[in-house]
Amino acid sequence: ILNVEQSPQSLHVQEGDSTNFTCSFPSSNFYALHWYRWETAKSPEALFVMTLNGDEKKKGRISATLNTKEGYSYLYIKGSQPEDSATYLCAFLAGAGSYQLTFGKGTKLSVIP
Amino acid sequence: NAGVTQTPKFQVLKTGQSMTLQCAQDMNHEYMSWYRQDPGMGLRLIHYSVGAGITDQGEVPNGYNVSRSTTEDFPLRLLSAAPSQTSVYFCASSYSGQADPHFGNGTRLTVT
Repeated sequence: ILNVEQSPQSLHVQEGDSTNFTCSFPSSNFYALHWYRWETAKSPEALFVMTLNGDEKKKGRISATLNTKEGYSYLYIKGSQPEDSATYLCAFLAGAGSYQLTFGKGTKLSVIP
Repeated sequence: NAGVTQTPKFQVLKTGQSMTLQCAQDMNHEYMSWYRQDPGMGLRLIHYSVGAGITDQGEVPNGYNVSRSTTEDFPLRLLSAAPSQTSVYFCASSYSGQADPHFGNGTRLTVT
């Protein structure tokens, strides 16, 4: 079983604040890292799939970076809004022949108006 | 455009009962999978399939069976429900094992 850890477990920020959280994963046998946004009572929504060391991806106010050599990815949210409140999940895919995404436990973000 | 459809949305079972959670996708995806989501545990893979006729175990397969007789359908069977199987179950599909999965809306199962 692969170890994928996310920190912090939960986070409360004021509207307008920028924030970031971390996903740590094994640095060996890396294939891809996925980020998801998951609102309560809905299904996870894909944000990014990252495959290259040094990759940086952006979607609106949300961006992510990837360091495969040290085994971490950061997710940044600029100018948080109440609608950003959700659980953010990362998932690690090991090796080209693997079919099993290993999910972290998520970071629950609450944005206070 | 249905995507991934899970039924039922909610289910209550008594210990020992059996049931099947249905999952269907209309995107001609080869890869399908079942996850369970428990508080503080994230999403854990139960079983997955890389194509019709092929299934394999994930991280937490005990107490569950699957089959994949068609590309579209991937039902999850609970043979003898236990309270430990109380969870929210998500089905997902993707065109390959490496691609981003599309998730269904989940089935909330309670076993009393």
